[in-house]
Amino acid sequence: SAVISQKPSRDICQRGTSLTIQCQVDSQVTMMFWYRQQPGQSLTLIATANQGSEATYESGFVIDKFPISRPNLTFSTLTVSNMSPEDSSIYLCSADAGLMNTEAFFGQGTRLTVV
Amino acid sequence: QKEVEQNSGPLSVPEGAIASLNCTYSDRVSQSFFWYRQYSGKSPELIMSIYSNGDKEDGRFTAQLNKASQYVSLLIRDSQPSDSATYLCAVAGSGYALNFGKGTSLLVTP
Repeated sequence: SAVISQKPSRDICQRGTSLTIQCQVDSQVTMMFWYRQQPGQSLTLIATANQGSEATYESGFVIDKFPISRPNLTFSTLTVSNMSPEDSSIYLCSADAGLMNTEAFFGQGTRLTVV
Repeated sequence: QKEVEQNSGPLSVPEGAIASLNCTYSDRVSQSFFWYRQYSGKSPELIMSIYSNGDKEDGRFTAQLNKASQYVSLLIRDSQPSDSATYLCAVAGSGYALNFGKGTSLLVTP
């Protein structure tokens, strides 16, 4: 299975600022995904990031708020922009090879608190 | 809207018993099904995947899939206190992103 490194592991940020979360995979993967997990809740997909194309956002998530970069097949970033306390959550990076029946693995997550 | 439903629990079983976790999904074109285990404060860890109808066994874990009933389950035999966690059912359709259920909290009591 792929090893996914995510950083920072946690941060406390002031409202109105932005935070960029980095996700590094130890092998080339076709697709990377960004999820949000709010306290006591399950995972909600924010967007799918393919290398060389714009990220595909799920309903309720927009590029201006959550810009994503995918410069190569092993790396992606998610920025949480103009943060408010409602953005306090765990953000998780996931990756798979994009082939049929391929399993998805997760980074260790970023616990974000906005004050 | 694609739904993945799980009982939130908590499901409490004694040590050594079989824990049975259930999941239903609404999207009939779903192709891949996964069970993740998530300890408090940790990220999800993949424990089982299943793609075709029937049973799939891996150690103490058995995943069962019934596409006609849109139902997937996870059995944990000889449950241990270390199995206490939240178990997330995840479903992938024609794309590769996963749709997660809310999770079932399992408590294995010594």
